[in-house]
Amino acid sequence: EVQLVESGGGLVKPGGSLRLSCAASGFTLSDAWMTWVRQAPGKGLEWVGRIRSNTAGGTIDYAAPVKGRFTISRDDSKNMLYLQMNSLITEDTAVYYCTSLQWGRWGQGTLVTVSS
Amino acid sequence: QAVVTQEPSLTVSPGGTVTLTCGSSTGAVTSGHYPHWFQQKPGQAPTTLISETSNKHSWTPARFSGSLLGGKAALTLSGAQPEDEAEYYCLLGYSGPVVFGGGTKLTVL
Repeated sequence: EVQLVESGGGLVKPGGSLRLSCAASGFTLSDAWMTWVRQAPGKGLEWVGRIRSNTAGGTIDYAAPVKGRFTISRDDSKNMLYLQMNSLITEDTAVYYCTSLQWGRWGQGTLVTVSS
Repeated sequence: QAVVTQEPSLTVSPGGTVTLTCGSSTGAVTSGHYPHWFQQKPGQAPTTLISETSNKHSWTPARFSGSLLGGKAALTLSGAQPEDEAEYYCLLGYSGPVVFGGGTKLTVL
């Protein structure tokens, strides 16, 4: 069964950094296009970025609000997806989800709170 | 960046039919935008109902269907059930970024 499990969320001060992880099982991560999505409290879904499969070049796109601050990466040997978040601001406070649109699966989400 | 528009709210009677739409500020939505539809209930992660315009997943209830309608992506619910009350989001892909719609709050009443 395809499953995604996020971890790494928590409370961080403005300007700080955090790395989120997404453990994938039931499929090979490097064969999938993987996406990070976030949802601020009481708000809608916001696309953060995605990494294409290796066969599609493995290139990465980011949403404008996070470009230059967030980095998506993948460890194929561990079947893990990451989201490195730097220079965090209060507006980054949200539940962060990893998802595979082609498999239709979402993780349960991990909460990131940016506050002093 | 493109703006993806959805009805903010809709109401459907139990057993009734309702169509949610997803439009793009750049023009007509086509299959090339790979429209997806998601359902989210309070306190839960989203679930994917429809991928790439009209493809259902094994867990997608048969009463949901996806299509292109009048230049928009559409999600039709036929035979609404109380458990279908939820927020529904669409997603469109562009050459690079991906954009979510603002969501439609569907009430079954």
